[in-house]
Amino acid sequence: RKEVEQDPGPFNVPEGATVAFNCTYSNSASQSFFWYRQDCRKEPKLLMSVYSSGNEDGRFTAQLNRASQYISLLIRDSKLSDSATYLCVVNIVGAGSYQLTFGKGTKLSVIP
Amino acid sequence: EPEVTQTPSHQVTQMGQEVILRCVPISNHLYFYWYRQILGQKVEFLVSFYNNEISEKSEIFDDQFSVERPDGSNFTLKIRSTKLEDSAMYFCASREGQERGYTFGSGTRLTVV
Repeated sequence: RKEVEQDPGPFNVPEGATVAFNCTYSNSASQSFFWYRQDCRKEPKLLMSVYSSGNEDGRFTAQLNRASQYISLLIRDSKLSDSATYLCVVNIVGAGSYQLTFGKGTKLSVIP
Repeated sequence: EPEVTQTPSHQVTQMGQEVILRCVPISNHLYFYWYRQILGQKVEFLVSFYNNEISEKSEIFDDQFSVERPDGSNFTLKIRSTKLEDSAMYFCASREGQERGYTFGSGTRLTVV
């Protein structure tokens, strides 16, 4: 069973569109949740942390539903520069080392 | 903005050879990590390091792998006898404290031929 599962994608959307990514995680003891973005052959970069109350950062909104073990990311008014792979990431409780568990990612292409 | 530095950016090695991947974490960070990403696959945890010792390691991190912090700045990953399946992007990361996020380095692309 996959620990962190995401929409396989790819998502091809026009500029200005709203796009939503979904993610589920299997370990109910997961404590922290994140969305990272990864450009082709680059390192993952933190986009935003995800909190139970939901949080927003400009055009980006993240939601967490602990009961359903579900995380989402909404991007409004897509820009060409949003084209990347979006990684759902959770902190699985380990021996205090705070290791991250990554989903495989969903590729987004924003088209002019 | 402080960054995690990795060298080399790309290394090609023959199967069976030893490789050392180098990382310079951010200076005031206390927790260090290696992750890898095989082409087209997800990012996978290898090992975490704190207070000069391994705090956790994954099943991938077998006896062929070792980590070291030989001085106050470098953090290295050694693969003793590389296999074709070790070909991947290797990311170093560091973290300041328990509640702080990770900073990843730009990675070393290892190609085993």
